[in-house]
Amino acid sequence: AQRVTQPEKLLSVFKGAPVELKCNYSYSGSPELFWYVQYSRQRLQLLLRHISRESIKGFTADLNKGETSFHLKKPFAQEEDSAMYYCALLNAGNNRKLIWGLGTSLAVNP
Amino acid sequence: DTGVSQDPRHKITKRGQNVTFRCDPISEHNRLYWYRQTLGQGPEFLTYFQNEAQLEKSRLLSDRFSAERPKGSFSTLEIQRTEQGDSAMYLCASSSTGLAGGPLRDTQYFGPGTRLTVL
Repeated sequence: AQRVTQPEKLLSVFKGAPVELKCNYSYSGSPELFWYVQYSRQRLQLLLRHISRESIKGFTADLNKGETSFHLKKPFAQEEDSAMYYCALLNAGNNRKLIWGLGTSLAVNP
Repeated sequence: DTGVSQDPRHKITKRGQNVTFRCDPISEHNRLYWYRQTLGQGPEFLTYFQNEAQLEKSRLLSDRFSAERPKGSFSTLEIQRTEQGDSAMYLCASSSTGLAGGPLRDTQYFGPGTRLTVL
């Protein structure tokens, strides 16, 4: 079964500290994975997609097929990074729907 | 703003009433998705369209739910005889498939959502 697991519901760090939001997936084929972010009272926004290999707002994520993980990392957290982060897996079937984790709420404290 | 838009942003209704939501996707996107999100959960897939054709409906979508995308542009989601369990955020997303999508092919872009409260 296709599944995305985000083990931490809440992650709290201090400004300037490194942050890692964990995402593990279960998928039989070659996965396509995304991170979306939702700031307070705003819509879901694409943060990054693994095939793009871009760094957005200082965040990076590396697909590790051996560990079936796609953890999101940032070396120095900023207060404006406080938001809800969702990891999502693209279904390879015709529908191309997204399969979502439960999300991790990141709080960056001053 | 050329992003995905949804209307209304909030809807409060009494149990048993019908409600209809609208989604306007990004204009060149051929796929349109509806998701539902409840508190503490990630979005859950409801249904999707490719152009005007509704190609899949989730088992979450009971017979009280119907969605249309009449001309392959905007879409509506109607809930008949609403129940308290229908209270949720209803999200719409659009994407482009095929070569026209370029490197962002199959990337879904979301609207602000419609928050439904059923009293």
